Amino acid sequence: NAGVTQTPKFQVLKTGQSMTLQCAQDMNHEYMSWYRQDPGMGLRLIHYSVGAGITDQGEVPNGYNVSRSTTEDFPLRLLSAAPSQTSVYFCASSYRNTGELFFGEGSRLTVL
Amino acid sequence: KNEVEQSPQNLTAQEGEFITINCSYSVGISALHWLQQHPGGGIVSLFMLSSGKKKHGRLIATINIQEKHSSLHITASHPRDSAVYICAVRGFGNEKLTFGTGTRLTIIP
Repeated sequence: NAGVTQTPKFQVLKTGQSMTLQCAQDMNHEYMSWYRQDPGMGLRLIHYSVGAGITDQGEVPNGYNVSRSTTEDFPLRLLSAAPSQTSVYFCASSYRNTGELFFGEGSRLTVL
Repeated sequence: KNEVEQSPQNLTAQEGEFITINCSYSVGISALHWLQQHPGGGIVSLFMLSSGKKKHGRLIATINIQEKHSSLHITASHPRDSAVYICAVRGFGNEKLTFGTGTRLTIIP
């Protein structure tokens, strides 16, 4: 099993550019989520989904969009990147919202 | 919003020592997770607890619901245990997790 696959691992953007971070899981998990990790802070929830077609905002959703057209995929879109979005991003999934968490390897994004 | 505090923030110990990392939270929860993150690496789930105690190899996790406190213990610590250990809690009827800022553990050979 691949588990949770996140791409790309590294990305450098210029302010105002757009990009999509991809997240895919092959465990048939209902619950998927995106977090950002910044120095000195705990992981913060950006957006989450409890199933295909259902998404909701987390703690820090501004500047990010998500969609969940299939159970497997949960892409995170930055429409107009800002330096404040420089961070490490993690995608996670679990069987329902009460299960063990499985994380992707992380994506390090730098916005210049 | 649940507040999650971990202590200590940093811990350095000699190989073989018994390690304890603590996690306290402010509001009742349905589950608590312990996660491990190696330097530059991904995040791995170690335990998910709602009550009592769990053991996996040299790792033991306990939770006291009344005191809103959990501990992660490592017996016979080894340099490969060097990592950041993160506590996260989930409230009742809430899909969202609240994370602590982590404890950085360094085991010296």
